[in-house]
Amino acid sequence: KNQVEQSPQSLIILEGKNCTLQCNYTVSPFSNLRWYKQDTGRGPVSLTIMTFSENTKSNGRYTATLDADTKQSSLHITASQLSDSASYICVVTVTNTDKLIFGTGTRLQVFP
Amino acid sequence: DAGVTQSPTHLIKTRGQHVTLRCSPISGHKSVSWYQQVLGQGPQFIFQYYEKEERGRGNFPDRFSARQFPNYSSELNVNALLLGDSALYLCASILGSLGSGNTIYFGEGSWLTVV
Repeated sequence: KNQVEQSPQSLIILEGKNCTLQCNYTVSPFSNLRWYKQDTGRGPVSLTIMTFSENTKSNGRYTATLDADTKQSSLHITASQLSDSASYICVVTVTNTDKLIFGTGTRLQVFP
Repeated sequence: DAGVTQSPTHLIKTRGQHVTLRCSPISGHKSVSWYQQVLGQGPQFIFQYYEKEERGRGNFPDRFSARQFPNYSSELNVNALLLGDSALYLCASILGSLGSGNTIYFGEGSWLTVV
């Protein structure tokens, strides 16, 4: 069964600290893996997109890694800011089906 | 340029009623997809349309249907509403297909409450 699992479910950190969010997937074959940021009650906003041949992609303070062999991805946030408080969702595209499989997200809260 | 626009933003319906949600993709995007997001969970894929043809369907009952118009806008219809249909319904558009690696742009969603 195609699944995307994220951990931790929720995370609290202090402003300025770094954190790493995890995504494990069983989707096969997959076209690409995306990380999204979703503020409460808003639509998701794209952070990174990686194909199976890429193993790292950065977008400002966000750096995503991908290990296609172990089917794991991580999103690293450096020097966190209060505005980073949101849900972070890992999304995998199933090849040849035009279907997205979403993880349940990690809820990040950054406190001053 | 306008992003993905959805309407209505909020609505309340009673059980058994029908609802139509609307989505306009980013200009030039020919692919539209729909997702249901229940509070506290990640979005669930419902439908994907590309060039007015259904290209993918998630595990949703036949009460859910959609279509894409010649101008690439789309409607999601839900019949015989149940309390469990209460959710944020997201529409997304992309240039090309989902497997292309292009950015998927989401709208702000339509909040549906079924009472």
